[in-house]
Amino acid sequence: KQEVTQIPAALSVPEGENLVLNCSFTDSAIYNLQWFRQDPGKGLTSLLLIQSSQREQTSGRLNASLDKSSGRSTLYIAASQPGDSATYLCASRMDSSYKLIFGSGTRLLVRP
Amino acid sequence: DGGITQSPKYLFRKEGQNVTLSCEQNLNHDAMYWYRQDPGQGLRLIYYSQIVNDFQKGDIAEGYSVSREKKESFPLTVTSAQKNPTAFYLCASSYRDGANVLTFGAGSRLTVL
Repeated sequence: KQEVTQIPAALSVPEGENLVLNCSFTDSAIYNLQWFRQDPGKGLTSLLLIQSSQREQTSGRLNASLDKSSGRSTLYIAASQPGDSATYLCASRMDSSYKLIFGSGTRLLVRP
Repeated sequence: DGGITQSPKYLFRKEGQNVTLSCEQNLNHDAMYWYRQDPGQGLRLIYYSQIVNDFQKGDIAEGYSVSREKKESFPLTVTSAQKNPTAFYLCASSYRDGANVLTFGAGSRLTVL
């Protein structure tokens, strides 16, 4: 059974710092992996999706990588801003059933 | 604008009552999902539906029921059989393609008094 883990649970950094959020998964036979952002009391916003055949995806200041052999994905945020403060969740999709397995998230605080 | 609308945003329920959470989408998505989120935890799948008149149980379906009579709508009923229903409920939808990028609603917070 796939398990998705995100460490640390919380992270606080000063504005302008580059940072990396980690996501690990136990079963490397994933179909794809997605990163989401969640603001307090809100729904999730999809940030990046990496197919199993891809190594990375980029969108603006965000870069997500995928290493299936090690069971890891990272979300790199460049030049962090206070507006980046939110909870970031990763989720793996295992097959064509459309089910996603979520990690518990990393709560990010970017201090002005 | 296209999107997913969940209602109500906040709901209070007495023990023993059934409640229904609404989820409507105008994105022309085929698949719809219900997730439950508890504090400090990830999302857990309750039910999902890939097409109209068909749905499958997720990992924590006990005490919940759904229907999918229309493509746009996927209501979730939290029954009195659900022993710990207080949670944040999120509805999502997607196309039935390889990417399967999910669009989420703003969520409904259910509190049992």
